[in-house]
Amino acid sequence: DIQMTQSPSTLSASVGDRVTITCRASQSISDWLAWYQQKPGKAPKLLIYKASSLESGVPSRFSGSGSGTEFTLTISSLQPDDSATYYCQQYNSYSTFGQGTKLVIK
Amino acid sequence: EVQLVESGGGLVQPGGSLRLSCAASGFTFSKYWMHWVRQAPGKGLVWVSRINKDGSGTSHADSVKGRFTISRDNAKNTLYLQMNSLRVEDTAVYYCAREGDDDSGYLKDWGQGTVVTVSS
Repeated sequence: DIQMTQSPSTLSASVGDRVTITCRASQSISDWLAWYQQKPGKAPKLLIYKASSLESGVPSRFSGSGSGTEFTLTISSLQPDDSATYYCQQYNSYSTFGQGTKLVIK
Repeated sequence: EVQLVESGGGLVQPGGSLRLSCAASGFTFSKYWMHWVRQAPGKGLVWVSRINKDGSGTSHADSVKGRFTISRDNAKNTLYLQMNSLRVEDTAVYYCAREGDDDSGYLKDWGQGTVVTVSS
């Protein structure tokens, strides 16, 4: 089974900061990686698919990069509405989610 | 507008059974792979099951294999999850989700979830 490890588990940043979340796969997954945003009590929302493709309607301050085993989600200028938990998901072999990164706005 | 509406959750005793449903609308249901994903209270997302477009191919996570069965009725635009031999650790919000347009496995649209509580 492919394991996904996110870091950090919790992140505190200020409005306007550039924020990066990392996701590592236990084996190569090419670019079969997605990122989701989840707010409390709500369903997850797709942000990025195929490692770097921005889902329609998602603000351009969100971007994804990486291939193989290391991936990043970057928020270029943090906004108050970005307070949420972020998950990566590999879909190279079945599906596995990372454990999540909680992003808190200072 | 794509809509996925789950139902069928509730309180069940350990060892019991439940069948979850997910009613789909706003898209051609038979053209998409579908998934179930769960989230235990205060925990992260866990993939549970997936099914191909015509229902002939399914996969399940090891933690539910042999106990849960995913199925679909394309005539009714409905996805199902039959859950048997339920355990306390199956307590979670269960989401149904639709794959993206290119059959590659990312989850483009999600329902609001249905709560399953396994407790005596």
